[in-house]
Amino acid sequence: EAGVAQSPRYKIIEKRQSVAFWCNPISGHATLYWYQQILGQGPKLLIQFQNNGVVDDSQLPKDRFSAERLKGVDSTLKIQPAKLEDSAVYLCASSLEHSNQPQHFGDGTRLSIL
Amino acid sequence: GESVGLHLPTLSVQEGDNSIINCAYSNSASDYFIWYKQESGKGPQFIIDIRSNMDKRQGQRVTVLLNKTVKHLSLQIAATQPGDSAVYFCAENMNYGGSQGNLIFGKGTKLSVKP
Repeated sequence: EAGVAQSPRYKIIEKRQSVAFWCNPISGHATLYWYQQILGQGPKLLIQFQNNGVVDDSQLPKDRFSAERLKGVDSTLKIQPAKLEDSAVYLCASSLEHSNQPQHFGDGTRLSIL
Repeated sequence: GESVGLHLPTLSVQEGDNSIINCAYSNSASDYFIWYKQESGKGPQFIIDIRSNMDKRQGQRVTVLLNKTVKHLSLQIAATQPGDSAVYFCAENMNYGGSQGNLIFGKGTKLSVKP
């Protein structure tokens, strides 16, 4: 079974620029999650989709972050404009249906803001 | 502050010994718990999970214990190997109704295995 795919693996941008991350979940997984992991900390949920609908985006800084999952499969996460504190690893995860089932993670995109 | 925490930020064990990683949680409504292993440069890898209606669950070389009375979770790794060296996270699913919830991660424990 193919795992969660994410791209790019690394991204370096200057503050105030824009960046987008892409995620392809495990085939058949209805629920998709984006997490932010700052160095030395555990992942923090940004947004959760079930199929193409948003379940929870309460932790998403909506003034600069946006995410979509238009066809209920792939997803993109965008930051515009980026701030220095956005430097982190952005992880995508998926689960079959619900958050009380195992979430499987991709290897993330490491974002550095200069 | 975060509701999921770890008692020891680092743990060093001898190869072949058993490892025990501990975790405290504060939300009595949490109904599902997961342990993840994260190696450098990789995403968290699922190890084992347990639901709140269980006290113990065993996998291959790993056992998770859940003590709801004191809100404590532990991961036991038998015969620890160098490949077990990583950061281990516990996570709890804080159920806010229905079938969904938020998975809240602790800060992690770094396990180092000495050959």
